[in-house]
Amino acid sequence: GAVVSQHPSRVICKSGTSVKIECRSLDFQATTMFWYRQFPKQSLMLMATSNEGSKATYEQGVEKDKFLINHASLTLSTLTVTSAHPEDSSFYICSAGKAGGRFNEQFFGPGTRLTVL
Amino acid sequence: TQLLEQSPQFLSIQEGENLTVYCNSSSVFSSLQWYRQEPGEGPVLLVTVVTGGEVKKLKRLTFQFGDARKDSSLHITAAQTGDTGLYLCAGASTGRRALTFGSGTRLQVQP
Repeated sequence: GAVVSQHPSRVICKSGTSVKIECRSLDFQATTMFWYRQFPKQSLMLMATSNEGSKATYEQGVEKDKFLINHASLTLSTLTVTSAHPEDSSFYICSAGKAGGRFNEQFFGPGTRLTVL
Repeated sequence: TQLLEQSPQFLSIQEGENLTVYCNSSSVFSSLQWYRQEPGEGPVLLVTVVTGGEVKKLKRLTFQFGDARKDSSLHITAAQTGDTGLYLCAGASTGRRALTFGSGTRLQVQP
């Protein structure tokens, strides 16, 4: 199998607070994890590529100081949205690629719905 | 910048009808994947195609990779309400770990 979990599934927070989202690969090791943002009825927008033990690579236009990514182990990556504002409200999804996997296949978590009041 | 355009963007059909979704690019991909996403959930990998001209079947779903590995299609036969969802194609490129995702096709199958 290739199961990826995310926690929490839903979070509501006040403007100005920070929120941490965890992404775990449950039955495989993931040297690389990816964080996406998805707006209603739209495709996925890649935010950053997270590599175990090194700094994340952010896509153009994504503020690295606002969206802090840590990939401390082969099964866990975290995304922290710092000083969240209502415009950060979105569906955040992580995915993981298997270590030694073929064809860059990615396995997705169930997503986290963030609502900033 | 690599782009993957999907068409149509939205499709509403009756149960039992057939449909085809297209995924096109000007870039060559080393492999191409199709995912289905239901509302409020993460995408689920359906298939990976690797070889130009390759055809793969998954029950009522038929996936084809173009000969030049720049395009792909997904054909669904006798659609069911359970096929409703967002279909995403994603291309992999040599030397890049991240996938390039298509713009998505939202399919609604009416009973």
